[in-house]
Amino acid sequence: ELKVEQNPLFLSMQEGKNYTIYCNYSTTSDRLYWYRQDPGKSLESLFVLLSNGAVKQEGRLMASLDTKARLSTLHITAAVHDLSATYFCAVGSNNDMRFGAGTRLTVKP
Amino acid sequence: EPEVTQTPSHQVTQMGQEVILRCVPISNHLYFYWYRQILGQKVEFLVSFYNNEISEKSEIFDDQFSVERPDGSNFTLKIRSTKLEDSAMYFCASSEEWTGKTQYFGPGTRLLVL
Repeated sequence: ELKVEQNPLFLSMQEGKNYTIYCNYSTTSDRLYWYRQDPGKSLESLFVLLSNGAVKQEGRLMASLDTKARLSTLHITAAVHDLSATYFCAVGSNNDMRFGAGTRLTVKP
Repeated sequence: EPEVTQTPSHQVTQMGQEVILRCVPISNHLYFYWYRQILGQKVEFLVSFYNNEISEKSEIFDDQFSVERPDGSNFTLKIRSTKLEDSAMYFCASSEEWTGKTQYFGPGTRLLVL
């Protein structure tokens, strides 16, 4: 059964600092997604990673995928308050898709 | 900018009733999805749809659920005989291609089953 674990579940960080969110999954996958959700809002698609070693960057966020380790990371560089949100990873495998529990990120001044 | 729209924004129904949630995907998109999120918790994938057929579905998407693209614009999720545990936020999304392309999400329909 496909299981997806994210950590940490809660992350409070200072503006300007760097941090990484981790997403581990239990079986082989064919795609991995990162999403952002602001409180009370819908989901926003951030990245889709398809192959081992894939790295994508958008602004202060960078996502990477290691399919051998079954691990994806979302790295935050020089955090700013606007990045405060909940971040979900999701893994697609065998005609199914499972989400992690989400990481609630709070960036403090 | 094109966007995915969903109606209604809120739906209250009695247990055992049928509901239909509607979505209008972005016009040139070919892939459509339904997800749900219970009380701001984990998001769950329900189904993906392409070329008038289901592409993938989760174990949640059992015979109680069905999807349809009845015309060129709408994409609907029907829930038969609703249960209390179907109460959730239901999000529709669409994308141009299957993988490697951004999914665009609608604002969601909040379903409450009493």
